[in-house]
Amino acid sequence: QKEVEQDPGPLSVPEGAIVSLNCTYSNSAFQYFMWYRQYSRKGPELLMYTYSSGNKEDGRFTAQVDKSSKYISLFIRDSQPSDSATYLCAMSEGRDDKIIFGKGTRLHILP
Amino acid sequence: ETGVTQTPRHLVMGMTNKKSLKCEQHLGHNAMYWYKQSAKKPLELMFVYNFKEQTENNSVPSRFSPECPNSSHLFLHLHTLQPEDSALYLCASSQTTRGNSPLHFGNGTRLTVT
Repeated sequence: QKEVEQDPGPLSVPEGAIVSLNCTYSNSAFQYFMWYRQYSRKGPELLMYTYSSGNKEDGRFTAQVDKSSKYISLFIRDSQPSDSATYLCAMSEGRDDKIIFGKGTRLHILP
Repeated sequence: ETGVTQTPRHLVMGMTNKKSLKCEQHLGHNAMYWYKQSAKKPLELMFVYNFKEQTENNSVPSRFSPECPNSSHLFLHLHTLQPEDSALYLCASSQTTRGNSPLHFGNGTRLTVT
């Protein structure tokens, strides 16, 4: 079983829709959870950073962590064409360990 | 200049060439990294430097040779590469090497080996 599973997509949704992106993981010791956004021909940029379980909201973006189910989500409200990008989940235990990345999900917002 | 900058943006090299990738960070971070990004694969960690000392070599072939002269600069020297080494090479930095210290990436060098 891979450490972090993420559906690569592509996922196409109409403008204005709510987008849900998800990752599952196997290591119950993960405590720090990140979402990165990567535009074409650019490097990944940190979008959301959360610790442990619960929700975190930043504008149109909400990150949700369910440690009991080993499942994290990123919700995008009122999606815009400018949200079209690849979204990578990442996580770590927070000690002297590496950050583990998912494969990324390609998202297309259709005007 | 802010953030993490990488040069060149694109590089095409033959299998017998020698070239170098350059990375510079302006964030005051102590840790720097090289990652390889290939299609449909997770980011692959290659090397980690902490306070300019190499702390991790993730079983990377010797045809990739990193160099970190100080905490702000990182190089990746390339020689006798293989076509399967074609990928996007990303440099990143973070405040510490602990897993709770998020990474800040450059825009990468798109490498094509012919």
